[in-house]
Amino acid sequence: DAGVTQTPRHEVAEKGQTIILKCEPVSGHNDLFWYRQTKIQGLELLSYFRSKSLMEDGGAFKDRFKAEMLNSSFSTLKIQPTEPKDSAVYLCASSLDWGDTQYFGPGTRLLVL
Amino acid sequence: GMPVEQNPPALSLYEGADSGLRCNFSTTMKSVQWFQQNHRGRLITLFYLAQGTKENGRLKSTFNSKERYSTLHIKDAQLEDSGTYFCAAETTNTGKLTFGDGTVLTVKP
Repeated sequence: DAGVTQTPRHEVAEKGQTIILKCEPVSGHNDLFWYRQTKIQGLELLSYFRSKSLMEDGGAFKDRFKAEMLNSSFSTLKIQPTEPKDSAVYLCASSLDWGDTQYFGPGTRLLVL
Repeated sequence: GMPVEQNPPALSLYEGADSGLRCNFSTTMKSVQWFQQNHRGRLITLFYLAQGTKENGRLKSTFNSKERYSTLHIKDAQLEDSGTYFCAAETTNTGKLTFGDGTVLTVKP
């Protein structure tokens, strides 16, 4: 049984570009999470889906960040337009339900120049 | 203050030692989760608690919503316990998950 997969593993973008990060959750999981991790801000929750419905949209991140889950086995996180401060590791995780073990993907390391 | 304060920022233990990490909350939290991040950056869920205490092997976690804190206790520390430990709390009002800054644990032989 495959774990959470994320693509690409690394991404380099110019300021102002649009980038799309992808995530495939564990099959059968109902909850999907997008996180961002930087040395300065630490770990932050960007979005949370329950059964494909957006439950938490990350408040401060709404402006240029958009997470979507068009089907239960695939989610995207779009950043448009990118800014250098968006440089971070973006983590996707899934769980059977809220409170159950979250399984994390390997992350996408984004560098915005 | 910060909604989630995690202490200590760093901790060094010898193999076999016991120790504890703590998160204090500025407000009443609905639940808490504890995660471990290994040296490759991979995150692992350790515990989810809505109240009380849970144990898993050498790890034990307690969450007291009323007193606004949670602890993670490690018994008989092993080298593979090294990593960064994060607590994350769900606020009662918004349901949002807020992370602590983490505790970097180093277990020495």
